[in-house]
Amino acid sequence: AQKITQTQPGMFVQEKEAVTLDCTYDTSDPSYGLFWYKQPSSGEMIFLIYQGSYDQQNATEGRYSLNFQKARKSANLVISASQLGDSAMYFCAMRGRGGRRALTFGSGTRLQVQP
Amino acid sequence: EAQVTQNPRYLITVTGKKLTVTCSQNMNHEYMSWYRQDPGLGLRQIYYSMNVEVTDKGDVPEGYKVSRKEKRNFPLILESPSPNQTSLYFCASRQDRGSTGGDEQFFGPGTRLTVL
Repeated sequence: AQKITQTQPGMFVQEKEAVTLDCTYDTSDPSYGLFWYKQPSSGEMIFLIYQGSYDQQNATEGRYSLNFQKARKSANLVISASQLGDSAMYFCAMRGRGGRRALTFGSGTRLQVQP
Repeated sequence: EAQVTQNPRYLITVTGKKLTVTCSQNMNHEYMSWYRQDPGLGLRQIYYSMNVEVTDKGDVPEGYKVSRKEKRNFPLILESPSPNQTSLYFCASRQDRGSTGGDEQFFGPGTRLTVL
């Protein structure tokens, strides 16, 4: 079974500062993928970034980077230079190779960017 | 434009009144699924389909039915809704290459269901 843990229900950050959202995972699959999604107040799910378990380098997408530490089973999202529009709910998710290959989600972290 | 559409976006109904939430994708994806989102629990998969006429249970299938008669459509059926099915529902689709590759999962806009 897969499990995603996000231990920060809520976070505050000042505009233009960097913020790290924590995510730890547990799986018995040797091959898996890790994802981050953003959910603004309007409700839609927006894909941010992906990291494969065998990828040698940490994934980056613009201001988003994924700090992947495989031995510690962590996949933290780093947002650089926060903007007011980054205020949203953020979900970490993973997908294994076997079975139904569903996304398993964490409970989310609500980020509020303050001016 | 590549997208997943859901209808209705909002629905208030009463206990026991059958309802269907439609889902359609225009990307020719094989894999489609339904999730529900509840506070503090993230999203949990209800049902999924790997192709036409192939459906199976996810983590929380009780009280729901699905069908996949066409590749593009994947409706969610609540035969006898109950208040504990009040939730935000998402339909999603992606190409299924049988790997954990970063095949982006496209989500619909969500359906907010309230069962009184």
